[in-house]
Amino acid sequence: SQQGEEDPQALSIQEGENATMNCSYKTSINNLQWYRQNSGRGLVHLILIRSNEREKHSGRLRVTLDTSKKSSSLLITASRAADTASYFCATDATLAGGTSYGKLTFGQGTILTVHP
Amino acid sequence: NAGVTQTPKFQVLKTGQSMTLQCAQDMNHEYMSWYRQDPGMGLRLIHYSVGAGITDQGEVPNGYNVSRSTTEDFPLRLLSAAPSQTSVYFCASSRRGRYSPLHFGNGTRLTVT
Repeated sequence: SQQGEEDPQALSIQEGENATMNCSYKTSINNLQWYRQNSGRGLVHLILIRSNEREKHSGRLRVTLDTSKKSSSLLITASRAADTASYFCATDATLAGGTSYGKLTFGQGTILTVHP
Repeated sequence: NAGVTQTPKFQVLKTGQSMTLQCAQDMNHEYMSWYRQDPGMGLRLIHYSVGAGITDQGEVPNGYNVSRSTTEDFPLRLLSAAPSQTSVYFCASSRRGRYSPLHFGNGTRLTVT
């Protein structure tokens, strides 16, 4: 079963606008990660936020995590046409003290289209 | 560095045929895994390995076998292909540790007719 539910399923914006994608999950997590997938390619890791963190930044990316609501959001500021891709959240539900072994549960993804 | 390399990129099989999807990484990562991606389903974990000689099942292991004889290689075997196995298959690797991200290959698109 899928841990993450993402919305919207698709998002279409103009260059320069901000894009916000949301992810909800069901169980307690150790960390949450966001990945990007360009058409026909593998996934590329963007950012990881630990369960004890509330916000994290990386360049034009801002991720928030609300463990009480079991939700996360990814904000891409000043979007570019090159940001057009699918974006996936993935959760690591390893219990405290355990080892994840690289096992993640992925959401269904948000397709982002940025028009020049 | 090449990172994670998957071959072939495309494959068409007939129902009942068997084949092996190859995956190799040159980053000396301990952990490797196989995911399948289906439309509207995200990625689902098939099998994973925490080191040479150690493998375990993921969420959707039926119809697939894996082995890990070296740190670098983690092949995925389809024993008797079925149309339900039509999918895009991704291999991933990561370092040991609680906060290590996955590195993905570019995938193998498999069609079973």
